[in-house]
Amino acid sequence: DQQVKQNSPSLSVQEGRISILNCDYTNSMFDYFLWYKKYPAEGPTFLISISSIKDKNEDGRFTVFLNKSAKHLSLHIVPSQPGDSAVYFCAVSYNTDKLIFGTGTRLQVFP
Amino acid sequence: DAGVIQSPRHEVTEMGQEVTLRCKPISGHDYLFWYRQTMMRGLELLIYFNNNVPIDDSGMPEDRFSAKMPNASFSTLKIQPSEPRDSAVYFCASSLLGDTQYFGPGTRLTVL
Repeated sequence: DQQVKQNSPSLSVQEGRISILNCDYTNSMFDYFLWYKKYPAEGPTFLISISSIKDKNEDGRFTVFLNKSAKHLSLHIVPSQPGDSAVYFCAVSYNTDKLIFGTGTRLQVFP
Repeated sequence: DAGVIQSPRHEVTEMGQEVTLRCKPISGHDYLFWYRQTMMRGLELLIYFNNNVPIDDSGMPEDRFSAKMPNASFSTLKIQPSEPRDSAVYFCASSLLGDTQYFGPGTRLTVL
């Protein structure tokens, strides 16, 4: 059973518009949440994170929102650019060094 | 720094053969993680080490899988015997003090 779910395997967005990637988790004890980005033939790279004491964290075009009551995490990319086309993984952890990853969402940004 | 180095980048083998994947973590990092990526299950943690000691191997699928870290700069993941269902991309990652994980480029394993 998946503790972290990314229910949309793919998302297609026009350049300049907002991309919203979603992630749901099952355990309310998780206290640290991350997004990783992966290009083909490369390993995932860290993008942005948020701890459970916050509900929003922003870094340039990327914003992560955390809704603890709904056990829901989202990543907003504004404005979307073609170079953002990649697979995005959400990951969670609880008071530990290890991460639990979702299955990923493939984002395609078209001109 | 060169980042996390993995070899080989691609491996094609026949069922029943032994496969060894290699990883060199970022110098100075004290954590090393092995992951497997499949379409169905995404990125799964197989095992991780802290200061060369295995901490959690609960993700290792079965006894055919084993991992070692003989020193701070080298780790191996071995599959013996390999099966077609082991076909996946295997990633190694390292981190300092359990902070941000840095991933290698992965090894794409195909077992025929």
